[in-house]
Amino acid sequence: QKEVEQDPGPLSVPEGAIVSLNCTYSNSAFQYFMWYRQYSRKGPELLMYTYSSGNKEDGRFTAQVDKSSKYISLFIRDSQPSDSATYLCAMSLTYNQGGKLIFGQGTELSVKP
Amino acid sequence: DAGITQSPRHKVTETGTPVTLRCHQTENHRYMYWYRQDPGHGLRLIHYSYGVKDTDKGEVSDGYSVSRSKTEDFLLTLESATSSQTSVYFCAISDRDGNTEAFFGQGTRLTVV
Repeated sequence: QKEVEQDPGPLSVPEGAIVSLNCTYSNSAFQYFMWYRQYSRKGPELLMYTYSSGNKEDGRFTAQVDKSSKYISLFIRDSQPSDSATYLCAMSLTYNQGGKLIFGQGTELSVKP
Repeated sequence: DAGITQSPRHKVTETGTPVTLRCHQTENHRYMYWYRQDPGHGLRLIHYSYGVKDTDKGEVSDGYSVSRSKTEDFLLTLESATSSQTSVYFCAISDRDGNTEAFFGQGTRLTVV
């Protein structure tokens, strides 16, 4: 079993829809939780970063972490065609792990005009 | 792309040959990482470096070696390429302990035939 599980999709939604992306994990020691966005044939770029449980909002994006359930989510409101990309969740164990990350498999999202 | 250059961007090589991929950064970041990305696996850490001549293994290090003789350069060598090493390879950098934002390069697409 992978440490981090993510539904690979693909997920297709109409423009303006609310998108929910999720990851589950097995290692309760994970402390830092990130969402990366990756456009086709590009490197991943950091979208959201949260520490421990709770919510964090940035514009149309909201990240949620529920450590008791070992479950993290990314919500995209008013989705746009430019949001079409692969979304990867990533986690790290401690404060000193920097870019030493455990990634989910990635979910491919397509937002149709 | 946070001043990260990967070379080559594409390479086709034959089974059994050695291959070296280069990551060059202009950000003077301390930490550098090599990941590979495969369908169904997301990104997996191969090796990382926490300073000049200081390196350590990641999750999938077998068959790979690394070297870092200068802050700006991190080399990944496939000692004897195999078809299972066909993948997209990403270099990442991060600045310091606790900085969980890793910046990724554009990737190198390697095919071993």
